[in-house]
Amino acid sequence: DGGITQSPKYLFRKEGQNVTLSCEQNLNHDAMYWYRQDPGQGLRLIYYSQIVNDFQKGDIAEGYSVSREKKESFPLTVTSAQKNPTAFYLCASSKWGQSGPEQYFGPGTRLTVT
Amino acid sequence: QKEVEQNSGPLSVPEGAIASLNCTYSDRGSQSFFWYRQYSGKSPELIMSIYSNGDKEDGRFTAQLNKASQYVSLLIRDSQPSDSATYLCAVNGGGGADGLTFGKGTHLIIQP
Repeated sequence: DGGITQSPKYLFRKEGQNVTLSCEQNLNHDAMYWYRQDPGQGLRLIYYSQIVNDFQKGDIAEGYSVSREKKESFPLTVTSAQKNPTAFYLCASSKWGQSGPEQYFGPGTRLTVT
Repeated sequence: QKEVEQNSGPLSVPEGAIASLNCTYSDRGSQSFFWYRQYSGKSPELIMSIYSNGDKEDGRFTAQLNKASQYVSLLIRDSQPSDSATYLCAVNGGGGADGLTFGKGTHLIIQP
């Protein structure tokens, strides 16, 4: 089965701790993305990577870091510098559709920091 | 700052009727437009993409794009209770593999 997996589904951490969220895809997609969603809000772009060993900041990159050492994997670290880390984190990858790129999402990780 | 605006709803539609969802965007240079469906507690699911002015139909769904008015819409024909969800409009400004800018979504309720 091809798809995007994110683990864990739920994650609880204490304030001041760094935490890494996993995202893996076996769709052979080149580009991968991280978004966060807060209640009643749309998705906001954190980081994206169009190719291995390269990534770009999105709209809300402060307090986050990423790596892209393998095509299949794009982990996100939420650092203690992120002021409001509690959110629903969504990983996506994209392929070229009929006329342009189409992004597909993993199941998400709900992070709660107390 | 790129913006995508949607009416948050809820939009209530009787079963079997046509549901009409609307979206406007601020970046006139935007190239690609998408509609995602998101059930409560789940991740977004891509249901339609559109790149050219006009209509694009896929089953019960029709996406409409008017770049001059910076307006995208989604029509759902023969609405079913299972269509009840939040519908997110998303825009890709550059047309390449950049990230998407999302609206906050419209909550659609199909009344049996």
